[in-house]
Amino acid sequence: NAGVTQTPKFRVLKTGQSMTLLCAQDMNHEYMYWYRQDPGMGLRLIHYSVGEGTTAKGEVPDGYNVSRLKKQNFLLGLESAAPSQTSVYFCASSYLGGPYGYTFGSGTRLTVV
Amino acid sequence: AQSVTQLGSHVSVSEGALVLLRCNYSSSVPPYLFWYVQYPNQGLQLLLKYTTGATLVKGINGFEAEFKKSETSFHLTKPSAHMSDAAEYFCAVSTLNDYKLSFGAGTTVTVRA
Repeated sequence: NAGVTQTPKFRVLKTGQSMTLLCAQDMNHEYMYWYRQDPGMGLRLIHYSVGEGTTAKGEVPDGYNVSRLKKQNFLLGLESAAPSQTSVYFCASSYLGGPYGYTFGSGTRLTVV
Repeated sequence: AQSVTQLGSHVSVSEGALVLLRCNYSSSVPPYLFWYVQYPNQGLQLLLKYTTGATLVKGINGFEAEFKKSETSFHLTKPSAHMSDAAEYFCAVSTLNDYKLSFGAGTTVTVRA
C-alpha cells in the first residue's frame, strides 16, 4: 500500500545541471500535481495533469517541464537548474480533482548550488 | 476563484491546552474543505474533510472542525494538545469540478511542556 512515492528524496545539483524527479502512484488516480514548498510561501503549484498524456501549467511553471506518459507516473524535469529552484518538491495525486482531496508523497529536498 | 485565509502563522500552546486553528474561506459556490497536517520533514497528511452533510467533522488524532457557512469558517480544534501535535497545519478549499485544492499559507503549532 505505497500510495505516492517520490524519488529521489534528496539531491544536490550544480547550477546549469539537469535532473528529473519521479512521482509514482498506485491508487489509479487520474489527477497528479507537482508543488514546491518554500519558507513563508506555502505550497505553490508548478504543473498538473488531469489524465494520462495531459499536462498543464500551474502558478509557477517557468524553468520546469513535466510528462505523464503513463497514468501512474508524473515526471518533473529541470532542464538547467538555478539556485532559485532550491526547494522542497511535493507530488500529489487525486481521484478526480480538488473535491476528492490529495494524497501526497514524502517530498524531494533539492539544493542547487 | 476560491481561497482560504489562515489566521496566525504561528500558534503556541501548552501541553493539555486547547488547540484552535482558524481558517476562513471564500467561495461563491458550496465549498469542499480540508485540513492537512505536515510533520517535520514529511509530506502532508489528511486530517479531516467536509463535503456535505454534518457540519461537525471528526478527524484523526482527536481533531475536529466545524463548517459554519454564515461565518465562512472551518476552524480546527483539539481539546487537549500533545507534544506530538507539533507540526504545520494547512487548510484547503475546493469546489465541485475544480481540478485542484487551494491551500492556505499554513499555521505552525508548537507545544510547550
